[in-house]
Amino acid sequence: AQSVTQLGSHVSVSEGALVLLRCNYSSSVPPYLFWYVQYPNQGLQLLLKYTSAATLVKGINGFEAEFKKSETSFHLTKPSAHMSDAAEYFCAVRVKTSYDKVIFGPGTSLSVIP
Amino acid sequence: DVKVTQSSRYLVKRTGEKVFLECVQDMDHENMFWYRQDPGLGLRLIYFSYDVKMKEKGDIPEGYSVSREKKERFSLILESASTNQTSMYLCASSLGQGNNQPQHFGDGTRLSIL
Repeated sequence: AQSVTQLGSHVSVSEGALVLLRCNYSSSVPPYLFWYVQYPNQGLQLLLKYTSAATLVKGINGFEAEFKKSETSFHLTKPSAHMSDAAEYFCAVRVKTSYDKVIFGPGTSLSVIP
Repeated sequence: DVKVTQSSRYLVKRTGEKVFLECVQDMDHENMFWYRQDPGLGLRLIYFSYDVKMKEKGDIPEGYSVSREKKERFSLILESASTNQTSMYLCASSLGQGNNQPQHFGDGTRLSIL
C-alpha cells in the first residue's frame, strides 16, 4: 500500500537558516507528489507539485523540492527561513485507484526562532 | 483562483444533534472531498464525490453521510453527533480523474461537540 512518511513531527530553525523538511513515499508506480502548507486556523495551501517534468520543483514563497527516485524522497527546502514560514507542512502523494486518491503525510510543524 | 468556501469557521453543537457542514466551490470541479484533521493523525478522508449525486466512502465514513445535489456544493452530515467527532473538518475539490491537479482546500470548520 502506498504511504507517505515525514521524518520529524516538529522542526525548529533560526531565522535565516536553511529549512529542510523530509518526505519519503512508497509507490509502485511513478508518483504525483505535492507539498502543502497550513497556517494556523486555515486550510491547506499548495506549495508545489511534482509532475515528472523536472526533478527540481520550485514553488511559492521561495520553497523548492527535489524528487529522487532512487531514494523515494521528495524533501522540501528553503535557503533562508522567515518568521512567516512558521506553519504545518504536509507532503502528499496521489494514488491511482478507482479515483484520484491523495494520501497525506502526518505533517511537520515548523517553528522559526528569531 | 479556485475558491472553496466552508459555511462556518467555528461550530458548537450538542451530543445527539444532527449537524450539517456545507462546502461550495466555484471552479466547476468534478471531485469534492471531506477530511477530518486531528493532532497526530493528519488528514483522514471521510467521503468524496466525483459527480453530482455520486458519493464514495473514504477511510473513516462511520457516523457520517454526505449529499451532493449540485456540482458546486458538497455537504457533510453528522447524523447524531458524538463527542469523538469534535475535530477540524476540511473540504477540498479538484478537477476530474486523470488530471495531475492538486486538491484545493477551504479554510476548515472547527467543530466542537459538547
